[in-house]
Amino acid sequence: AQKITQTQPGMFVQEKEAVTLDCTYDTSDQSYGLFWYKQPSSGEMIFLIYQGSYDEQNATEGRYSLNFQKARKSANLVISASQLGDSAMYFCAMWDFSGTYKYIFGTGTRLKVLA
Amino acid sequence: GAVVSQHPSWVICKSGTSVKIECRSLDFQATTMFWYRQFPKQSLMLMATSNEGSKATYEQGVEKDKFLINHASLTLSTLTVTSAHPEDSSFYICSAREIAEGYNEQFFGPGTRLTVL
Repeated sequence: AQKITQTQPGMFVQEKEAVTLDCTYDTSDQSYGLFWYKQPSSGEMIFLIYQGSYDEQNATEGRYSLNFQKARKSANLVISASQLGDSAMYFCAMWDFSGTYKYIFGTGTRLKVLA
Repeated sequence: GAVVSQHPSWVICKSGTSVKIECRSLDFQATTMFWYRQFPKQSLMLMATSNEGSKATYEQGVEKDKFLINHASLTLSTLTVTSAHPEDSSFYICSAREIAEGYNEQFFGPGTRLTVL
């Protein structure tokens, strides 16, 4: 069965520092996508970054980068130069391309950026 | 990116009433829409997958008669919480899947916060 694990329920980071949010996944499929979403207190899911299982290079989007280690089945999110507005809940998710096209979400990590 | 809207954004109702939540894809056609439920400080839980013109596929443990889903058109899916009770209070989020040649992506709606008194 497919599964996403986020082992950090909460994280603190000082403003302007970098932070890594951990995500490991489990799947027997060869074709899948890994996503990170940010959910502020308003509740909307904000797409941050995507990594396909066949992508050889790590994805980057501005201050966000995804440290993809396929052999270890990990897809950690790195946020550089943290800002106060980065304080939110962060979810790692996997999308199964092989048939169901369903998202499987991790339990989330609540990030608090300190001034 | 494509836009998905939900209406209402929040609703308060009395126990025993039914509540309808709409999910619309505003600028694309969505053959598939997904409904999620999220309790405070928890992750999103997939409730059902809604395909246009056919019956929804419910996840294990989700009551079909309690959560009625209708996907009548390529841009609209509705979730009706029937005979709502306080334990149905939650944040409900939909997502819509856009498919084009060589392209396959999902977009989330802003969510609907339901409070049942």
